[in-house]
Amino acid sequence: EIVLTQSPATLSLSPGERATLSCRASQSVSSYLAWYQQKPGQAPRLLICDASNRATGIPARFSGSGSGTDFTLTISSLEPEDLAVYYCQQRSNWPWTFGQGTKVEIK
Amino acid sequence: QITLKESGPTLVKPTQTLTLTCTFSGFSLSTSGVGVGWIRQPPGKALEWLALIYWDDDKRYSPSLRSRLTITKDTSKNQVVLTLTNMDPVDTATYFCAHTSRISSRYYFDYWGQGTLVTVSS
Repeated sequence: EIVLTQSPATLSLSPGERATLSCRASQSVSSYLAWYQQKPGQAPRLLICDASNRATGIPARFSGSGSGTDFTLTISSLEPEDLAVYYCQQRSNWPWTFGQGTKVEIK
Repeated sequence: QITLKESGPTLVKPTQTLTLTCTFSGFSLSTSGVGVGWIRQPPGKALEWLALIYWDDDKRYSPSLRSRLTITKDTSKNQVVLTLTNMDPVDTATYFCAHTSRISSRYYFDYWGQGTLVTVSS
C-alpha cells in the first residue's frame, strides 16, 4: 500500500499570503495524484487532478505540481474561505490512499 | 446535474452488518468509464478509501477490510450498495459515496454525497 505523508499538519497564515502544502508518496505514483479541499462539516471537493490539472470551477489561485513521490499544492493568495483541511489522494496503485491532511488556518 | 445521497442506519450494534445505499442522479452507472466509490472518515480523522465499483462491474476493495466489505450496483435503480459485516466501534465514521469518471475527473472523485454518520455502539 502506498502511504502518502502530508506536511505540515497545520498551516496558519494571513489572508493574501502564499500557502505551500506538501504530499510525499512512499513510492512513485507518477502523476496520478489529486488534491481535495474539505471545509468543516462538508464533503471533500476535488481541486486538482493528475498532480497539476485544476478541476472544473476551481479558482486559479490553486495550483498543483510534482511527479513521482513529491507533490505540492500552492494557494497563491489565501482567502478567508480557504479555511479547510486539504487531502492528497493517489490512484496509481490499488488500494487508492489518502494522506492524513493539512489543516489551513487563517490568522 | 450530478447528485449522490447516502442512506442507511445511523446506529448499529457491534457484530451487526451495516448496509448503506448510495442513490444517485445525473449519470448512469452503465456508461463506460464511470464508477462509484465509498470513502469513510472517523470523527476528526482523515479520509479512508473503502471500495469502488465500475460501469463494467469491476470491483475494488481496501485490502484491510476486504473480508468484510461487499459493493454492488443496481443500474436500473441508480443505486450502489455497500455492506460491512461484523461492525466494531472503530468503524464509527461518516460514510461518503462519490462519483468518478474517466472523462470528467480523470478517475478521481468529483462529486460527493453529503455523507452519513454511522455510530457503532451497544
